[in-house]
Amino acid sequence: ETGVTQSPTHLIKTRGQQVTLRCSSQSGHNTVSWYQQALGQGPQFIFQYYREEENGRGNFPPRFSGLQFPNYSSELNVNALELDDSALYLCASSAPGNTEAFFGQGTRLTVV
Amino acid sequence: QKEVEQDPGPLSVPEGAIVSLNCTYSNSAFQYFMWYRQYSRKGPELLMYTYSSGNKEDGRFTAQVDKSSKYISLFIRDSQPSDSATYLCAMTYSGGSNYKLTFGKGTLLTVNP
Repeated sequence: ETGVTQSPTHLIKTRGQQVTLRCSSQSGHNTVSWYQQALGQGPQFIFQYYREEENGRGNFPPRFSGLQFPNYSSELNVNALELDDSALYLCASSAPGNTEAFFGQGTRLTVV
Repeated sequence: QKEVEQDPGPLSVPEGAIVSLNCTYSNSAFQYFMWYRQYSRKGPELLMYTYSSGNKEDGRFTAQVDKSSKYISLFIRDSQPSDSATYLCAMTYSGGSNYKLTFGKGTLLTVNP
């Protein structure tokens, strides 16, 4: 059984650019959540996808958007990157009706 | 007031010590409580998961939840240098259509050989 995998592991972008981060959920998990973790902070909920639809959103602007695919993998897109978007982006997957969330290793995004 | 408060430490202990990590929270709707371990530059790893009040033990780890005080704890017995990491508490509640986790800031633990 494979765990949650994210790509890429590291990324450097310029302010104003756009970025796409990818996540493959753990086998059998149909719910994917995305979190942003700034240095020295706990992860902050961005949004969750269930059955290819957004199923809850945290306090993040619309330039943060996402997708979930039929195989339950997911993408996080961030437009018009700002310096404050520099963080570790974490993807977590959950089994149907289960609150236990399992995280990937994260994508470290640096905006310069 | 933040929904979840966690002392960021850092906490430094000698090998073999008993470690106590704690979080307080303000939202009485929280019912599911988790502890994650996060090594530097890695994703969080689920250590303990508990529902409602009570204790749960798994090897050297014990998770304790006191809903009346809105206080949760993680105890690590016979701590090892490999336990050196950041420990994050997280919680969520049922009743909504999604189970977003609310995290504490994390406590940085160093276990010295």
